[in-house]
Amino acid sequence: DIQMTQSPSSVSASVGDRVTITCRASQGIASWLAWYQHKPGKAPKLLIYAASTLQTGVPSRFSGSGSGTDFALTITSLQPEDFATYYCQQAYTFPLTFGGGTKVEVK
Amino acid sequence: EVQLVESGGGLVQPGGSLRLSCAGSGFIFSSYFMSWVRQAPGKGLEWMANIKQDGSEKNYVDSVKGRLTISRDNAKSSLYLQMDSLRVEDTAVYYCARDISSNSDAFDIWGRGTRVTVSS
Repeated sequence: DIQMTQSPSSVSASVGDRVTITCRASQGIASWLAWYQHKPGKAPKLLIYAASTLQTGVPSRFSGSGSGTDFALTITSLQPEDFATYYCQQAYTFPLTFGGGTKVEVK
Repeated sequence: EVQLVESGGGLVQPGGSLRLSCAGSGFIFSSYFMSWVRQAPGKGLEWMANIKQDGSEKNYVDSVKGRLTISRDNAKSSLYLQMDSLRVEDTAVYYCARDISSNSDAFDIWGRGTRVTVSS
């Protein structure tokens, strides 16, 4: 199975900050990577797919980059509604696997 | 509105069975791969299984093979997860999710989940 390792596991930030979350795959997955935002009690929300394609309706302050084994999600100018947990997911092969999550908390 | 709504969760004893359902609306259900994803308490997301549009192809994570069975009824726009021989570690919120396209196993639509608790 492909292991997805996210870092950091949590980050404290303030509104307006730039936040970058990284995700490393245990083997190459080309650009088959997605990012999700998840808030307690709610459905996860797709932010980015194919490593860098912004899902329709997602604000442009979210961006994704990388290919192969190393990927990043960047949030420029963090907004109050962005405090949540973020997950990466490889869509390269079965079983599909997620990273352990990164919780973005209020500083 | 495009949405998925899960149901069927609850409290079950170890070794018991449960059948989860997921009703889709607002889109052509039969056109999409569908998956089940779960989140155990305090843990991250874990993909369980998916099923092709016509049900002819199913994939599972090894840890649930033989105990969980995914199925669908396109006439009812519904996805199912039959859960047998349940273990305490199957306790989780179970989400159904839609593949964004036939060419990608990223999930663009998710339900809000149904909670399964396995306990004596």
